[in-house]
Amino acid sequence: EVQLLESGGGLVQPGGSLRLSCSASGFNFGSYAMGWVRQAPGKGLEWVSTINPSGDRTYNPDSVKGRFTISRDNSENTLFLQMNTLRGEDTAIYYCGRVLAATVGWLDTWGQGTLVIVSS
Amino acid sequence: DIQMTQSPSTLSASVGDTVTITCRASHYISKWLAWYQQKPGKAPELLISDASSETNGAPSRFSGSGGGTVFTLTISGLQPGDFATYYCQQYNSFPITFGQGTRLDIK
Repeated sequence: EVQLLESGGGLVQPGGSLRLSCSASGFNFGSYAMGWVRQAPGKGLEWVSTINPSGDRTYNPDSVKGRFTISRDNSENTLFLQMNTLRGEDTAIYYCGRVLAATVGWLDTWGQGTLVIVSS
Repeated sequence: DIQMTQSPSTLSASVGDTVTITCRASHYISKWLAWYQQKPGKAPELLISDASSETNGAPSRFSGSGGGTVFTLTISGLQPGDFATYYCQQYNSFPITFGQGTRLDIK
């Protein structure tokens, strides 16, 4: 069974940093692009980042560019999201997902999400 | 950036009804569109990809159509578990963008 499990969320002060992890199982992790999508409380879905299967290409929207970095460890079947210079508007549930395409595609499997709260 | 606009934002219907949700793209995206269902407190789940390809495990009452800039999701014969929020997503190009969501309520 394909499974994704996020961890690392929590309460952080504005300007602080946090590193999210997503542990994958049930599929050949290194063959798939992976991504992060977030959802602010009571709001819709927002794409945050995508990484290609080998990890040498990453994509981010302007809202997080220069602050968030996606990476992966294919030997450990784990996806990461390093979030720096956090702002109140980054408060959200962060979902990791398996991408069905080389890079830009749709997410066929989602984790349960991890909550990040940015507040003083 | 490609803007995705869903209509309506809220839809009230009864069990057994057939409903349609529309998603419009601000630019041509061919067939590169997915639909997701999200229930309260849960992660989204994929229903449709490539505008009309049903995902394994999704009930056959969910169908997608359209192309270019206008797409629709139709649910035929609503079941109690279908009352949820639905999102479209374009993957024609980065940045990936989602519609604002359509909440389907029980009438």
